[in-house]
Amino acid sequence: RKEVEQDPGPFNVPEGATVAFNCTYSNSASQSFFWYRQDCRKEPKLLMSVYSSGNEDGRFTAQLNRASQYISLLIRDSKLSDSATYLCVVNRGGGATNKLIFGTGTLLAVQP
Amino acid sequence: EAGVAQSPRYKIIEKRQSVAFWCNPISGHATLYWYQQILGQGPKLLIQFQNNGVVDDSQLPKDRFSAERLKGVDSTLKIQPAKLEDSAVYLCASSFERTGFTPLHFGNGTRLTVT
Repeated sequence: RKEVEQDPGPFNVPEGATVAFNCTYSNSASQSFFWYRQDCRKEPKLLMSVYSSGNEDGRFTAQLNRASQYISLLIRDSKLSDSATYLCVVNRGGGATNKLIFGTGTLLAVQP
Repeated sequence: EAGVAQSPRYKIIEKRQSVAFWCNPISGHATLYWYQQILGQGPKLLIQFQNNGVVDDSQLPKDRFSAERLKGVDSTLKIQPAKLEDSAVYLCASSFERTGFTPLHFGNGTRLTVT
């Protein structure tokens, strides 16, 4: 079993749709969580951190369920520019160190 | 601020040849990482430096891969000899500190093709 698992997609959605990505992780000691975005043939860039209470940034909402070891990302009102691969990232190292484990990514294609 | 710089952008070599990649992190970032990203997969950590010391190299294939960060700034990653399965994008990243809540800043990577 992979340490961080994501549905690879692709998710093909029309503009304006709401889409949700899920991610599960196996190491219960993991302390911090992130979503990174990676455009085609580009480097990953931080989209948002994921906090225990859930957090929102504009059209993006991230949720964490520690009991189920599950992270989600919700994108509302999808734009063409949201088309990218979304990487779920878990810090296995705990709070004191960075030992980031990346999922394989979920590909989103927003259609006009 | 200037981002993480990497060179070269692309490299094509034959198997059994050697290759080296260079990275210059964001100024002031003490932690530097080398990741390998194979097509269709997420980045995999090869080695992590804190200043000029190695923090984690557990996934570095040490029989062929080596890395150094002299003076705690620039870093080089070398592969000798290369194998076909080393074809990937090699990403360098840096962070201000090594705590688990600090985001990584990636360079634009070196795309290696081994033929």
